[in-house]
Amino acid sequence: AQSVTQLGSHVSVSEGALVLLRCNYSSSVPPYLFWYVQYPNQGLQLLLKYTSAATLVKGINGFEAEFKKSETSFHLTKPSAHMSDAAEYFCAVSGTGANNLFFGTGTRLTVIP
Amino acid sequence: NAGVTQTPKFQVLKTGQSMTLQCAQDMNHEYMSWYRQDPGMGLRLIHYSVGAGITDQGEVPNGYNVSRSTTEDFPLRLLSAAPSQTSVYFCASRKTGMNTEAFFGQGTRLTVV
Repeated sequence: AQSVTQLGSHVSVSEGALVLLRCNYSSSVPPYLFWYVQYPNQGLQLLLKYTSAATLVKGINGFEAEFKKSETSFHLTKPSAHMSDAAEYFCAVSGTGANNLFFGTGTRLTVIP
Repeated sequence: NAGVTQTPKFQVLKTGQSMTLQCAQDMNHEYMSWYRQDPGMGLRLIHYSVGAGITDQGEVPNGYNVSRSTTEDFPLRLLSAAPSQTSVYFCASRKTGMNTEAFFGQGTRLTVV
Protein backbone atom coordinates (compact mmCIF):
# COMPACT_ATOMS: atom_id res chain seq x y z
CA ALA A 1 0.00 0.00 0.00
CA GLN A 2 1.12 3.53 -0.68
CA SER A 3 0.42 6.67 1.25
CA VAL A 4 1.76 10.12 2.00
CA THR A 5 1.71 12.08 5.22
CA GLN A 6 1.81 15.85 5.29
CA LEU A 7 2.97 17.33 8.57
CA GLY A 8 1.24 20.56 9.47
CA SER A 9 -2.24 21.33 8.20
CA HIS A 10 -1.51 25.06 8.36
CA VAL A 11 1.75 26.91 7.75
CA SER A 12 2.20 30.68 8.00
CA VAL A 13 5.23 32.52 6.67
CA SER A 14 6.11 36.16 6.16
CA GLU A 15 6.42 37.50 2.65
CA GLY A 16 10.01 36.94 1.51
CA ALA A 17 10.65 34.12 3.99
CA LEU A 18 11.49 30.51 3.20
CA VAL A 19 8.58 28.18 2.52
CA LEU A 20 8.94 24.57 3.72
CA LEU A 21 6.04 22.13 3.38
CA ARG A 22 6.67 18.59 4.57
CA CYS A 23 5.70 15.31 2.94
CA ASN A 24 6.73 11.78 3.92
CA TYR A 25 5.79 8.77 1.86
CA SER A 26 5.27 5.08 2.42
CA SER A 27 5.66 2.75 -0.53
CA SER A 28 6.69 -0.83 -1.10
CA VAL A 29 8.00 0.04 -4.56
CA PRO A 30 9.95 3.02 -5.88
CA PRO A 31 7.38 5.79 -5.75
CA TYR A 32 6.34 8.47 -8.15
CA LEU A 33 5.70 11.61 -6.10
CA PHE A 34 3.84 14.79 -6.93
CA TRP A 35 3.05 18.17 -5.45
CA TYR A 36 -0.19 19.88 -6.46
CA VAL A 37 -1.48 23.35 -5.59
CA GLN A 38 -5.09 24.39 -5.16
CA TYR A 39 -6.07 28.06 -5.23
CA PRO A 40 -9.43 29.03 -3.66
CA ASN A 41 -12.45 27.64 -5.49
CA GLN A 42 -10.33 26.00 -8.15
CA GLY A 43 -9.18 22.53 -9.10
CA LEU A 44 -5.70 21.19 -8.47
CA GLN A 45 -2.74 21.91 -10.74
CA LEU A 46 0.64 20.25 -10.87
CA LEU A 47 3.59 22.05 -9.25
CA LEU A 48 6.23 19.37 -9.83
CA LYS A 49 6.81 15.63 -9.93
CA TYR A 50 9.55 13.15 -9.03
CA THR A 51 10.03 10.29 -11.47
CA SER A 52 13.52 9.03 -10.46
CA ALA A 53 15.45 11.00 -13.09
CA ALA A 54 16.85 13.46 -10.54
CA THR A 55 16.44 13.78 -6.78
CA LEU A 56 16.09 17.58 -6.85
CA VAL A 57 13.06 18.56 -8.86
CA LYS A 58 12.25 22.08 -9.95
CA GLY A 59 8.67 23.11 -10.57
CA ILE A 60 6.62 26.12 -11.50
CA ASN A 61 6.53 29.42 -9.60
CA GLY A 62 9.99 28.92 -8.06
CA PHE A 63 9.11 25.80 -6.06
CA GLU A 64 11.36 22.79 -5.79
CA ALA A 65 11.39 19.50 -3.91
CA GLU A 66 14.08 17.02 -2.97
CA PHE A 67 13.54 13.26 -2.91
CA LYS A 68 15.37 11.67 0.03
CA LYS A 69 15.01 7.91 0.05
CA SER A 70 16.80 7.49 3.39
CA GLU A 71 14.25 9.79 5.04
CA THR A 72 11.27 8.74 2.84
CA SER A 73 10.64 12.43 2.32
CA PHE A 74 9.73 14.76 -0.53
CA HIS A 75 9.53 18.21 1.08
CA LEU A 76 8.51 21.25 -0.94
CA THR A 77 10.49 24.48 -0.64
CA LYS A 78 10.60 27.97 -2.04
CA PRO A 79 13.34 30.43 -1.03
CA SER A 80 11.15 33.52 -0.85
CA ALA A 81 7.39 33.48 -0.30
CA HIS A 82 5.12 35.70 -2.34
CA MET A 83 1.59 36.75 -1.49
CA SER A 84 0.36 34.84 -4.54
CA ASP A 85 1.68 31.57 -3.02
CA ALA A 86 -1.18 31.51 -0.51
CA ALA A 87 -3.05 28.31 -1.36
CA GLU A 88 -3.48 24.70 -0.28
CA TYR A 89 -0.74 22.27 -1.22
CA PHE A 90 -1.12 18.53 -1.64
CA CYS A 91 1.50 15.82 -1.83
CA ALA A 92 0.52 12.67 -3.78
CA VAL A 93 1.98 9.26 -4.62
CA SER A 94 1.45 6.63 -7.29
CA GLY A 95 3.42 3.55 -8.14
CA THR A 96 1.41 0.37 -8.22
CA GLY A 97 -1.95 -0.88 -9.37
CA ALA A 98 -4.17 0.94 -11.76
CA ASN A 99 -2.57 4.36 -12.08
CA ASN A 100 -4.25 5.70 -8.95
CA LEU A 101 -2.97 8.82 -7.20
CA PHE A 102 -3.21 8.93 -3.41
CA PHE A 103 -3.18 12.31 -1.74
CA GLY A 104 -2.11 13.63 1.62
CA THR A 105 -4.44 15.69 3.77
CA GLY A 106 -3.05 18.99 2.50
CA THR A 107 -1.24 22.01 3.97
CA ARG A 108 -2.78 25.44 3.82
CA LEU A 109 -0.11 28.10 3.32
CA THR A 110 -0.75 31.63 4.54
CA VAL A 111 1.63 34.42 3.54
CA ILE A 112 1.75 37.39 5.90
CA PRO A 113 2.57 40.77 4.38
CA ASN B 1 -8.18 23.22 -24.95
CA ALA B 2 -11.04 22.64 -22.56
CA GLY B 3 -9.19 19.96 -20.55
CA VAL B 4 -11.49 18.44 -17.92
CA THR B 5 -14.98 19.90 -17.68
CA GLN B 6 -17.29 19.26 -14.75
CA THR B 7 -20.94 20.22 -14.43
CA PRO B 8 -22.67 21.53 -12.43
CA LYS B 9 -20.41 23.78 -10.33
CA PHE B 10 -22.88 23.93 -7.44
CA GLN B 11 -25.80 21.72 -6.42
CA VAL B 12 -28.13 21.45 -3.44
CA LEU B 13 -29.98 18.16 -2.99
CA LYS B 14 -32.52 16.91 -0.51
CA THR B 15 -31.80 13.70 1.33
CA GLY B 16 -32.87 10.74 -0.78
CA GLN B 17 -32.68 12.52 -4.13
CA SER B 18 -30.46 11.21 -6.90
CA MET B 19 -28.30 13.10 -9.34
CA THR B 20 -25.47 12.73 -11.82
CA LEU B 21 -22.28 14.76 -11.81
CA GLN B 22 -20.92 15.08 -15.30
CA CYS B 23 -17.25 14.90 -16.29
CA ALA B 24 -15.79 15.16 -19.78
CA GLN B 25 -12.19 15.36 -21.02
CA ASP B 26 -10.89 16.16 -24.47
CA MET B 27 -7.30 14.94 -24.07
CA ASN B 28 -7.93 11.31 -25.08
CA HIS B 29 -6.78 10.09 -21.65
CA GLU B 30 -7.48 6.47 -20.87
CA TYR B 31 -7.56 6.92 -17.09
CA MET B 32 -10.27 8.93 -15.32
CA SER B 33 -11.18 9.18 -11.66
CA TRP B 34 -13.48 10.84 -9.15
CA TYR B 35 -12.38 12.25 -5.80
CA ARG B 36 -14.17 13.89 -2.95
CA GLN B 37 -12.50 16.62 -0.91
CA ASP B 38 -13.43 17.16 2.71
CA PRO B 39 -11.76 19.50 5.24
CA GLY B 40 -8.77 17.86 6.90
CA MET B 41 -9.08 14.71 4.83
CA GLY B 42 -7.48 15.67 1.56
CA LEU B 43 -8.76 14.03 -1.61
CA ARG B 44 -10.15 10.53 -1.39
CA LEU B 45 -10.64 8.31 -4.42
CA ILE B 46 -14.25 7.27 -5.06
CA HIS B 47 -14.14 5.37 -8.35
CA TYR B 48 -11.80 5.15 -11.30
CA SER B 49 -11.66 3.86 -14.85
CA VAL B 50 -8.69 2.67 -16.90
CA GLY B 51 -10.61 2.78 -20.18
CA ALA B 52 -14.01 2.66 -21.80
CA GLY B 53 -16.11 -0.14 -20.34
CA ILE B 54 -13.82 -0.65 -17.32
CA THR B 55 -14.51 0.82 -13.87
CA ASP B 56 -13.42 -0.04 -10.36
CA GLN B 57 -13.87 1.10 -6.78
CA GLY B 58 -11.53 3.43 -4.93
CA GLU B 59 -11.27 4.14 -1.20
CA VAL B 60 -14.79 5.48 -0.57
CA PRO B 61 -17.18 4.01 -3.19
CA ASN B 62 -20.33 3.46 -1.10
CA GLY B 63 -23.34 5.43 -2.29
CA TYR B 64 -21.84 6.20 -5.70
CA ASN B 65 -22.06 4.60 -9.13
CA VAL B 66 -20.03 5.21 -12.28
CA SER B 67 -19.98 4.10 -15.89
CA ARG B 68 -17.58 4.68 -18.77
CA SER B 69 -19.23 4.21 -22.14
CA THR B 70 -16.80 6.48 -24.02
CA THR B 71 -13.20 7.59 -23.51
CA GLU B 72 -14.36 11.19 -23.03
CA ASP B 73 -17.09 10.89 -20.41
CA PHE B 74 -17.11 9.57 -16.85
CA PRO B 75 -20.30 10.50 -14.94
CA LEU B 76 -20.70 9.97 -11.20
CA ARG B 77 -24.15 9.04 -9.90
CA LEU B 78 -25.43 9.56 -6.39
CA LEU B 79 -28.16 6.98 -5.97
CA SER B 80 -29.84 8.30 -2.80
CA ALA B 81 -28.13 11.39 -1.45
CA ALA B 82 -27.21 11.56 2.23
CA PRO B 83 -25.88 14.52 4.28
CA SER B 84 -22.57 12.63 4.59
CA GLN B 85 -22.13 13.13 0.85
CA THR B 86 -21.91 16.89 1.27
CA SER B 87 -18.49 17.58 -0.22
CA VAL B 88 -16.55 19.03 -3.14
CA TYR B 89 -16.16 16.53 -5.96
CA PHE B 90 -13.31 16.54 -8.46
CA CYS B 91 -12.93 14.63 -11.66
CA ALA B 92 -9.43 13.98 -12.99
CA SER B 93 -7.85 12.35 -16.03
CA ARG B 94 -4.35 11.08 -16.81
CA LYS B 95 -2.50 9.37 -19.58
CA THR B 96 -1.71 5.76 -18.72
CA GLY B 97 1.52 5.58 -16.71
CA MET B 98 2.51 6.04 -13.08
CA ASN B 99 4.52 9.20 -13.68
CA THR B 100 1.95 11.14 -15.66
CA GLU B 101 0.28 14.36 -14.56
CA ALA B 102 -3.35 14.29 -13.50
CA PHE B 103 -5.55 17.07 -14.88
CA PHE B 104 -8.44 18.19 -12.67
CA GLY B 105 -11.78 19.77 -13.32
CA GLN B 106 -12.91 22.86 -11.41
CA GLY B 107 -14.98 20.84 -8.97
CA THR B 108 -18.64 20.47 -8.00
CA ARG B 109 -19.70 21.75 -4.59
CA LEU B 110 -22.55 19.52 -3.41
CA THR B 111 -24.72 20.17 -0.36
CA VAL B 112 -27.21 17.57 0.83
CA VAL B 113 -29.85 18.88 3.24
